[in-house]
Amino acid sequence: EAQVTQNPRYLITVTGKKLTVTCSQNMNHEYMSWYRQDPGLGLRQIYYSMNVEVTDKGDVPEGYKVSRKEKRNFPLILESPSPNQTSLYFCASSLGFAGELFFGEGSRLTVL
Amino acid sequence: KQEVTQIPAALSVPEGENLVLNCSFTDSAIYNLQWFRQDPGKGLTSLLLIQSSQREQTSGRLNASLDKSSGRSTLYIAASQPGDSATYLCAVPPGGSNYKLTFGKGTLLTVNP
Repeated sequence: EAQVTQNPRYLITVTGKKLTVTCSQNMNHEYMSWYRQDPGLGLRQIYYSMNVEVTDKGDVPEGYKVSRKEKRNFPLILESPSPNQTSLYFCASSLGFAGELFFGEGSRLTVL
Repeated sequence: KQEVTQIPAALSVPEGENLVLNCSFTDSAIYNLQWFRQDPGKGLTSLLLIQSSQREQTSGRLNASLDKSSGRSTLYIAASQPGDSATYLCAVPPGGSNYKLTFGKGTLLTVNP
């Protein structure tokens, strides 16, 4: 089954404790991206990747890092999480950046 | 910078009614426009993708139209059902070398039995 898988789905952590949210897709997609969704602000793009070793900032990249060492994986790294990073995070992928976008189920992160 | 607006923010209709959701965008230089559905606490599911060269796209009871020149797209839902209750979002990848996708904030649709 074609899918985008995120882990963990739910996480509660404390300020400053590094964490990684993994994202994996099995559709051989070149384009992958991360979004955060907050009430009243909608979906905002954090980072995106056009292909392996090619990443770029979205609209809200501060406090986040990404890497794309393999085509299927695109982890989101929070080096020193802060409470303002409490949010619902989505990973998505598509064949090309303007292709049909497939989303993961989301990862709800709470930073205390 | 591309801005995407969805009106109304919320809509409540009785079952069986036909309805229209609106999406407007400020920069008409787009590759395509995509409509999504999001159920509470879930990810987004792609409904329809309209290429910039198309004017309409249909899937079952859903019909999406695109008017690039006026910066507008509509999603028409025929014979609405309670299972259609969800938030509907549109997204626009801009043209040129800008690869940032921009989403509208969505329309929360409630279909009452």
